[in-house]
Amino acid sequence: NAGVTQTPKFQVLKTGQSMTLQCAQDMNHEYMSWYRQDPGMGLRLIHYSVGAGITDQGEVPNGYNVSRSTTEDFPLRLLSAAPSQTSVYFCASSRDSSNYGYTFGSGTRLTVV
Amino acid sequence: GQQLNQSPQSMFIQEGEDVSMNCTSSSIFNTWLWYKQDPGEGPVLLIALYKAGELTSNGRLTAQFGITRKDSFLNISASIPSDVGIYFCAGFTSGTYKYIFGTGTRLKVLA
Repeated sequence: NAGVTQTPKFQVLKTGQSMTLQCAQDMNHEYMSWYRQDPGMGLRLIHYSVGAGITDQGEVPNGYNVSRSTTEDFPLRLLSAAPSQTSVYFCASSRDSSNYGYTFGSGTRLTVV
Repeated sequence: GQQLNQSPQSMFIQEGEDVSMNCTSSSIFNTWLWYKQDPGEGPVLLIALYKAGELTSNGRLTAQFGITRKDSFLNISASIPSDVGIYFCAGFTSGTYKYIFGTGTRLKVLA
């Protein structure tokens, strides 16, 4: 049972480039989210999804897009990378939108130069 | 955006000592969660609390859901070197579909 798988683990982008961070879970979880982690800021919610075909914005959605075409996958797209998007990105899933807590992936460390 | 305040931000302790940390919010939550993050990894759930006043243990860890529903506390007894990491609290309110995370407490244990 792999849990939540994120790829790539590390990525360096040039300003203005676009890319997609991949996230897949094999637990049949309905609820998935993307967070970014910055020093001293904790984890901030970017986007979330309560099921296939349904997404919504979190606290810091600007510069990011998401889609949820299947239950398993929840990719995060950076449209035009900026240095301010240098961060560690975590994908997380939960069996539903209630209060059982998340299972997190191991993260993607992104540097934008 | 809303964030939870965790205290202390970081702490160095000697192996064998007890550790206390807390998390406060201006909002009420239905659920409080505590996570631990090891270096280079994602956070892992330690304890979940569902009721005001609830006290729950997981081995050497004990957490409490504050009576006001605006705070929570985590205690670690007899710390060991593998306790090092960042501890996050998270709050959840039914119907919001969002977990709000704290800023984290970085724990370093001196052998």
